[in-house]
Amino acid sequence: DAKTTQPPSMDCAEGRAANLPCNHSTISGNEYVYWYRQIHSQGPQYIIHGLKNNETNEMASLIITEDRKSSTLILPHATLRDTAVYYCIVRVGGKLIFGQGTELSVKP
Amino acid sequence: DAMVIQNPRYQVTQFGKPVTLSCSQTLNHNVMYWYQQKSSQAPKLLFHYYDKDFNNEADTPDNFQSRRPNTSFCFLDIRSPGLGDAAMYLCATSRDPKGDTQYFGPGTRLTVL
Repeated sequence: DAKTTQPPSMDCAEGRAANLPCNHSTISGNEYVYWYRQIHSQGPQYIIHGLKNNETNEMASLIITEDRKSSTLILPHATLRDTAVYYCIVRVGGKLIFGQGTELSVKP
Repeated sequence: DAMVIQNPRYQVTQFGKPVTLSCSQTLNHNVMYWYQQKSSQAPKLLFHYYDKDFNNEADTPDNFQSRRPNTSFCFLDIRSPGLGDAAMYLCATSRDPKGDTQYFGPGTRLTVL
């Protein structure tokens, strides 16, 4: 079973920051948090991952709480093309076990 | 650009007629994965190859098989497709099975008539 819980859906206004929360209260010390997104009828796209420290790349920022029980993916300036299902995944033994994800709708 | 390629993007087969889906990669990754994603559900891992070693998930039906003739190619064979096997099939690759990011192909959508 997936070790993460996410809200099923969120809306965000175009140009604003999208903050997607994820709970992973049973995460173990050496398990990474991964974020992928899936645009309709396409394969999942890797966004970012982290262990303890906050991470940033050209797509997004990942904020992990100090106790590692939750994290937030931040898309700094959401566009209509960011509309997708966003999956927060705790990688267990190398496996990605997907939960149901958050359906993000970016609106004009 | 290095990538994961799946052909065809859409496949239609008949109930009980064997079908093969293909995946190729130019990333030279050691691991290739197959996932099944049914409508409105999350992807579910079926199995993976680490080099030539095949690793099946415990709950993957026997109807699903896989072949990896070389590093670049991996095939998913469905021996006798049922209506319940209609889904998107996703191929992914990574450098190693424990600690590396997985990269996904665009998927093949299978319809069973």
